[in-house]
Amino acid sequence: IAGITQAPTSQILAAGRRMTLRCTQDMRHNAMYWYRQDLGLGLRLIHYSNTAGTTGKGEVPDGYSVSRANTDDFPLTLASAVPSQTSVYFCASSPRGDTEAFFGQGTRLTVV
Amino acid sequence: AQKITQTQPGMFVQEKEAVTLDCTYDTSDQSYGLFWYKQPSSGEMIFLIYQGSYDEQNATEGRYSLNFQKARKSTNLVISASQLGDSAMYFCAMRELTTGGYQKVTFGTGTKLQVIP
Repeated sequence: IAGITQAPTSQILAAGRRMTLRCTQDMRHNAMYWYRQDLGLGLRLIHYSNTAGTTGKGEVPDGYSVSRANTDDFPLTLASAVPSQTSVYFCASSPRGDTEAFFGQGTRLTVV
Repeated sequence: AQKITQTQPGMFVQEKEAVTLDCTYDTSDQSYGLFWYKQPSSGEMIFLIYQGSYDEQNATEGRYSLNFQKARKSTNLVISASQLGDSAMYFCAMRELTTGGYQKVTFGTGTKLQVIP
């Protein structure tokens, strides 16, 4: 693994199903983030984590949950997917919160 | 009010010419950071350049430079000698410290740059 890896790269999901998007980084970065990207809206922060064991809500947290059991992993869970959660999801990390973020390759999620 | 405003949805530039992508921001913080990211058609987000609010010099990274005008709250990205590979979406972003104690990064809606041969 080099950098930050997301899985899956794309997924079609039936509405109402539960889904976990995985994110792993090997840079030992403290801060990690989940964004969603929608056309015309740029990237919006869903949840963040400053360090392992802590998480917080971003701009659009409803319908999503995260956990940060260790430094490397930051999974994003959709408990019951809805079509409005169709989006491209990016995981990112940074050494500290005040430096640039490094992004994963994104997960394209379609909820039907 | 929008935190980050990119008023140019799309731009064209001739290969080898310079191009300026506009970005204005809104914050009451004294300490903040400004970033530019590039997103090619393949979808990944690539960090380009950073400017801190207290930096007196405009940031430069190779062919990328920032025209940072703090009083006007603008941080325009200048790409010199455009190349075909510069065709991409470009996002401006701002980092602020929130009352919740985390560094929040807000992105603009992006500018799609197309370089013409």
